[in-house]
Amino acid sequence: DVKVTQSSRYLVKRTGEKVFLECVQDMDHENMFWYRQDPGLGLRLIYFSYDVKMKEKGDIPEGYSVSREKKERFSLILESASTNQTSMYLCASGGHPRETQYFGPGTRLLVL
Amino acid sequence: ILNVEQSPQSLHVQEGDSTNFTCSFPSSNFYALHWYRWETAKSPEALFVMTLNGDEKKKGRISATLNTKEGYSYLYIKGSQPEDSATYLCATPNTGNQFYFGTGTSLTVIP
Repeated sequence: DVKVTQSSRYLVKRTGEKVFLECVQDMDHENMFWYRQDPGLGLRLIYFSYDVKMKEKGDIPEGYSVSREKKERFSLILESASTNQTSMYLCASGGHPRETQYFGPGTRLLVL
Repeated sequence: ILNVEQSPQSLHVQEGDSTNFTCSFPSSNFYALHWYRWETAKSPEALFVMTLNGDEKKKGRISATLNTKEGYSYLYIKGSQPEDSATYLCATPNTGNQFYFGTGTSLTVIP
């Protein structure tokens, strides 16, 4: 059974804290993605990675960075958390764009 | 940025009713169209990946059609059940592997 896991389901952080969200996949996928979900806005791509140490900015990369040191792991970093980064964060992995993407369960982040 | 739109935004149907909703996407440079079901407190689950104009896919009571020339896909649910209650998302990738999602259709099936 394919699996994408995320390090936390719920997270509460303070403004200015550095936040790490981790995602691990066990399907040997080349591509991994970080999205955020906000009401009325749909899933928006923050960053994606098509290979180890390779990354591409999505539509909303400001305030975020990513790290992919191993194929199975893709981390999203909030350098200095702000209240407007309160959101649901979803990780996904996939192969070719004509193949299915698999999603993790999401991390609901609250920044106070 | 690819503009992907879904309608309606939300839908309430009675158990046993059939229903359908729409995903619209740019018809130029079409690559693929993905449908997902996202139940509360769960991960989005892939339903279909469609690539060819005229494609029809079916999974149980759920089916989907694709028109790449006019840029739309329909998702149909026959005989809706309460367990079909979820948000249904569509997404299309560009050739650079970046996916663009619609805002989803929230379906509530009333027993």
